[in-house]
Amino acid sequence: GESVGLHLPTLSVQEGDNSIINCAYSNSASDYFIWYKQESGKGPQFIIDIRSNMDKRQGQRVTVLLNKTVKHLSLQIAATQPGDSAVYFCAENNAGNMLTFGGGTRLMVKP
Amino acid sequence: GAGVSQSPRYKVAKRGQDVALRCDPISGHVSLFWYQQALGQGPEFLTYFQNEAQLDKSGLPSDRFFAERPEGSVSTLKIQRTQQEDSAVYLCASSTRGMRYNEQFFGPGTRLTVL
Repeated sequence: GESVGLHLPTLSVQEGDNSIINCAYSNSASDYFIWYKQESGKGPQFIIDIRSNMDKRQGQRVTVLLNKTVKHLSLQIAATQPGDSAVYFCAENNAGNMLTFGGGTRLMVKP
Repeated sequence: GAGVSQSPRYKVAKRGQDVALRCDPISGHVSLFWYQQALGQGPEFLTYFQNEAQLDKSGLPSDRFFAERPEGSVSTLKIQRTQQEDSAVYLCASSTRGMRYNEQFFGPGTRLTVL
């Protein structure tokens, strides 16, 4: 399949380490945020979401942190595995149903 | 159950040709979205349907782009007189209801290459 994110920022981590992927959003009116994972040749896959009335939400091995003061979002992946290698996008929603995606970060997991 | 499917997966067109890209959403999903993803970038919103009604087409880049969903299920994105800058992956997503906090499920996309 085609390669996603040829010129994206890259985070390289050792298998078993924790990963932190950051995202800055632009619209202070956004009140809903989602992290997506996209593997080469596939569409984005939902990981976790958070609403603006929260500053932290945890899932299985993943945690999303939201700092509305500085308009910053982060995704933490615990015990990173080779299967986590992909491009990660944050997306924001401020009205209606459309999502506005960030530029993405490529995560590479070294065995 | 089956996810969102798109066809064709790959399309090569000569500049000036018309193309039609198909999306089959998850059965029963009310909302359907089209996004355009250029290489190395995040998806960008094109248009949104709730059932057969096109409620938002603000992201369509020009009047050469047209989308329809006549029976509220399958959707087609048509691009007339394709240009090289139309080369991208076109993603379709669907969600259960027309509400903001419903997860959007994405298809694998159609990679369009315009020569």
